[in-house]
Amino acid sequence: DQQVKQNSPSLSVQEGRISILNCDYTNSMFDYFLWYKKYPAEGPTFLISISSIKDKNEDGRFTVFLNKSAKHLSLHIVPSQPGDSAVYFCPRGTYDRGSTLGRLYFGRGTQLTVWP
Amino acid sequence: NAGVTQTPKFQVLKTGQSMTLQCAQDMNHEYMSWYRQDPGMGLRLIHYSVGAGITDQGEVPNGYNVSRSTTEDFPLRLLSAAPSQTSVYFCASSYSKVQDLGGYTFGSGTRLTVV
Repeated sequence: DQQVKQNSPSLSVQEGRISILNCDYTNSMFDYFLWYKKYPAEGPTFLISISSIKDKNEDGRFTVFLNKSAKHLSLHIVPSQPGDSAVYFCPRGTYDRGSTLGRLYFGRGTQLTVWP
Repeated sequence: NAGVTQTPKFQVLKTGQSMTLQCAQDMNHEYMSWYRQDPGMGLRLIHYSVGAGITDQGEVPNGYNVSRSTTEDFPLRLLSAAPSQTSVYFCASSYSKVQDLGGYTFGSGTRLTVV
């Protein structure tokens, strides 16, 4: 099983507050996760990544946490903005001899709505 | 720098027709992939390529063919269109280097309807 599970299809958050998006995985054979967001009628765009040797990575308002014992990944957005309203995906990937392999497996995504 | 260009943006096919979805990138990326997005299913990998002349199957390859004769182009061929292939198709490309995590750049998609 290469995919991750995003068990919450939607999340609604007020502007300025924290958004927490979650992913669970079953197979421990991975090397990194990425987060993408997708607006309607557009392709996904990259947000932030984390490798299996880390448990946290930050980039501005976005922080990703990896709990390997719980096989759980989360994305925190603080503060949330209306422009963050989009579908969020957490595909996983693997390395091979120092290069990322070509396969990225996406789940079903979580629709985030940030309201004013 | 155009990034990943997909053509056409919209297409309607009749059942049984064949067609090719075009994908081109001008970033000299080694990796290219095709995904389809269906309601409630997220994005599913159809085929991918790690370089010119090298392709492999993803999760849902049946009914589709690919080839990679150049680094820039990665066309997706529908051999005999079926209504189940009605979907939005995305092409993506990436460098292969580890430090370019997240380097997948996606095209804007092709919306295909098979009637």
